[in-house]
Amino acid sequence: SFELTQPPSVSVSPGQTARITCSGDALPKKYAYWYQQKSGQAPVLVIYDDSKRPSGIPERFSGSSSGTMATLTISGARVEDEADYYCYSTDSSGNHGVFGGGTKLTVL
Amino acid sequence: QVQLQESGPGLVKPSGTLSLTCAVSGGSISSSNWWSWVRQPPGKGLEWIGEIYHSGSTNYNPSLKSRVTISVDKSKNQFSLKLSSVTAADTAVYYCARLAAAGTEEDYWGQGTLVTVFS
Repeated sequence: SFELTQPPSVSVSPGQTARITCSGDALPKKYAYWYQQKSGQAPVLVIYDDSKRPSGIPERFSGSSSGTMATLTISGARVEDEADYYCYSTDSSGNHGVFGGGTKLTVL
Repeated sequence: QVQLQESGPGLVKPSGTLSLTCAVSGGSISSSNWWSWVRQPPGKGLEWIGEIYHSGSTNYNPSLKSRVTISVDKSKNQFSLKLSSVTAADTAVYYCARLAAAGTEEDYWGQGTLVTVFS
């Protein structure tokens, strides 16, 4: 079955750059999407189509994808960016969605 | 602005069937979009359950396929989830969503509803 693999945790100091990776065999052919989820809230889309930023999402959030790995980058991370981050994509058929296991970002 | 709202029982007995409905407002369920269910067990990550198109076409998570049915009611602008033979492992917050698709940033989620499998 198709899987997306993320590191369980990433920790940075305020103002530093945080990078969260997501690896999966279908990523060379399928877009990656990134969601931010804060405690008790529904997920919020922060990156779509590998690297596009939805309106209202701060410019410090960016995305990239190369080969089997997609990366979410938060430049100049802020304390308010502390959250769980999930990548999402589909298998090669496009018929089955899958979320990565999630990465807990700590900014302190 | 599309809004989604889940409804259904918060408690289900083991071996029973979990049934949830997602009411869509601010947009038509007959638009060219897939409508999804996602769940999140307490303290764990997100799991894609499946999706439905207004035509009735469905895709399911292979690990849940034998127990899941997603249906659509265009007259009520809503779609539904049924999960049979539930166990404690099915206890989770269940979200309905219209996930972003290629070329569009439009992405909508309900607030989520906690369903507990409890005898």
